[in-house]
Amino acid sequence: EAAVTQSPRNKVAVTGGKVTLSCNQTNNHNNMYWYRQDTGHGLRLIHYSYGAGSTEKGDIPDGYKASRPSQENFSLILELATPSQTSVYFCASGDAGFSNERLFFGHGTKLSVL
Amino acid sequence: GEQVEQRPPHLSVREGDSAVITCTYTDPNSYYFFWYKQEPGASLQLLMKVFSSTEINEGQGFTVLLNKKDKRLSLNLTAAHPGDSAAYFCAVSPNRIFFGDGTQLVVKP
Repeated sequence: EAAVTQSPRNKVAVTGGKVTLSCNQTNNHNNMYWYRQDTGHGLRLIHYSYGAGSTEKGDIPDGYKASRPSQENFSLILELATPSQTSVYFCASGDAGFSNERLFFGHGTKLSVL
Repeated sequence: GEQVEQRPPHLSVREGDSAVITCTYTDPNSYYFFWYKQEPGASLQLLMKVFSSTEINEGQGFTVLLNKKDKRLSLNLTAAHPGDSAAYFCAVSPNRIFFGDGTQLVVKP
């Protein structure tokens, strides 16, 4: 079974601080994604990547950066965290073409920005 | 881009009853459709992937119906049981995947 591991599972940050969320996948999938999940909004795409070295903006990229240093790792970076970024963040990897692939999700990171 | 509306946001049924969750979408070029299940405290897991050529898809204890004319996708859990209590998300893909807002299903004994 595909494995996507996120760290940390929970994070409390201060406003204006830098936050890095990490994601590791052992499936050798090319595509990786970062979503945030908020009540009433479902899953919204922040950034995604087609492979090592690539990052693309999703639907809500403002205030976030992404880094894909290797096939396995995809990080989400909040340079200046704000309370509006309090949310649950999910990383996912994809096993096929961009439009028709099954997504494998990590267990999520609950971020609170105070 | 694609817009996906999922209804209802909350659904409570008794054990043995059916539960129906519906998504409507806007892009007529959508070709792939998905249902994901998220149990409490867990990550999303794929329930079913549907191709546009198939209108009726049977799973274990559920049926997924696709009506391309009305641009509607529905998940019907037949004879729901408490273990079905979870959040369910539809996803629609014309060129990439767009998620609905989710339905929180509670199945009471």
